[in-house]
Amino acid sequence: DAGVTQSPTHLIKTRGQQVTLRCSPKSGHDTVSWYQQALGQGPQFIFQYYEEEERQRGNFPDRFSGHQFPNYSSELNVNALLLGDSALYLCASSPLGYGYTFGSGTRLTVV
Amino acid sequence: QKEVEQDPGPLSVPEGAIVSLNCTYSNSAFQYFMWYRQYSRKGPELLMYTYSSGNKEDGRFTAQVDKSSKYISLFIRDSQPSDSATYLCAMSPNAGNNRKLIWGLGTSLAVNP
Repeated sequence: DAGVTQSPTHLIKTRGQQVTLRCSPKSGHDTVSWYQQALGQGPQFIFQYYEEEERQRGNFPDRFSGHQFPNYSSELNVNALLLGDSALYLCASSPLGYGYTFGSGTRLTVV
Repeated sequence: QKEVEQDPGPLSVPEGAIVSLNCTYSNSAFQYFMWYRQYSRKGPELLMYTYSSGNKEDGRFTAQVDKSSKYISLFIRDSQPSDSATYLCAMSPNAGNNRKLIWGLGTSLAVNP
């Protein structure tokens, strides 16, 4: 049984560009959450999707947006990239509630 | 003052030692407490999940919550080199609310053979 799958694993982008990260949740999970983890920090909650709608959102600007598809997979989009957006982006899936399964993340570097 | 404080370490112990990892918090509304393990280049993995005060044991791992002291602990018995990872605490006032899930910075643990 595959766990949470994220792609790509690594990405290098230039300031001002846009990026799309992808996540396939664990089989049987219908809720997807996205986190940003800077080096040496705990994960910071970006937003959560359930039934193709954003249900909760953390303290992130509108440059961060997302989408959930009917098959429960999800995308995270970041526009107008800043150097400070460099981080590990984690996707976590769950049945609605806790008990998250995290993916291995996408390492984004903005230069 | 941060809502959740966790010593980042690093902590280095010999194989077989008992490891004690701790977090303190300031928000008395926290009711749900979690410990995650994160290996290098991997996402966090849920180890223990505790509601309110008390102890919970799972194999070599024991989680303790002392709400009166606002202090939580994770004990690892008979530590193994495979336990070398970063351990993150996380806590929330209620279940299912990501926005209110507060994470510690993580403690880096190295278990030496």
